[in-house]
Amino acid sequence: DTAVSQTPKYLVTQMGNDKSIKCEQNLGHDTMYWYKQDSKKFLKIMFSYNNKELIINETVPNRFSPKSPDKAHLNLHINSLELGDSAVYFCASRTGRNTGELFFGEGSRLTVL
Amino acid sequence: SQQGEEDPQALSIQEGENATMNCSYKTSINNLQWYRQNSGRGLVHLILIRSNEREKHSGRLRVTLDTSKKSSSLLITASRAADTASYFCATDGGNFNKFYFGSGTKLNVKP
Repeated sequence: DTAVSQTPKYLVTQMGNDKSIKCEQNLGHDTMYWYKQDSKKFLKIMFSYNNKELIINETVPNRFSPKSPDKAHLNLHINSLELGDSAVYFCASRTGRNTGELFFGEGSRLTVL
Repeated sequence: SQQGEEDPQALSIQEGENATMNCSYKTSINNLQWYRQNSGRGLVHLILIRSNEREKHSGRLRVTLDTSKKSSSLLITASRAADTASYFCATDGGNFNKFYFGSGTKLNVKP
């Protein structure tokens, strides 16, 4: 069973549309993240939730709205998509331990035309 | 910014050689971690070093940390073609919940 799973894996859409990416983890972790990886491979933290509560919001445009219905799920909704939103979005989770490592999903490649 | 910056951006070596990658960061840390990313895949954790540690080993991996210079290095000994991947360091900027990455070092190991 996949530990951190994201859907969809690929997403191609037009500018101005709204889209969502879903993430689920079956590791029993308390903390989940969204990261954005650009074309130069730079990986930027976007959001983090701990047990359904938002704990990190790294100056992301408010067109991006995360939602955590329970601690095993963290979804990302993006409104009014722009060309610059094209990237690979990674979901990750970790335990609450101070030395906890991140477990990443396989990524969702978003292409905005 | 607080992210780790990996150096070099790209590294190409022959199988059997050692590969060294460096990471520099700007703020104090609790821990520093190294991750690996195969092409088209998610990142996988390799090793964690605490701020009060200077060196750590795991199999063919050796990590060093110099907090006075705010830098770390990852050494992969006796490299294999299967080690071809991008390697990232992650720093927490003093917050156990935050992990800042850079753009990675792309390692190519030629058979």
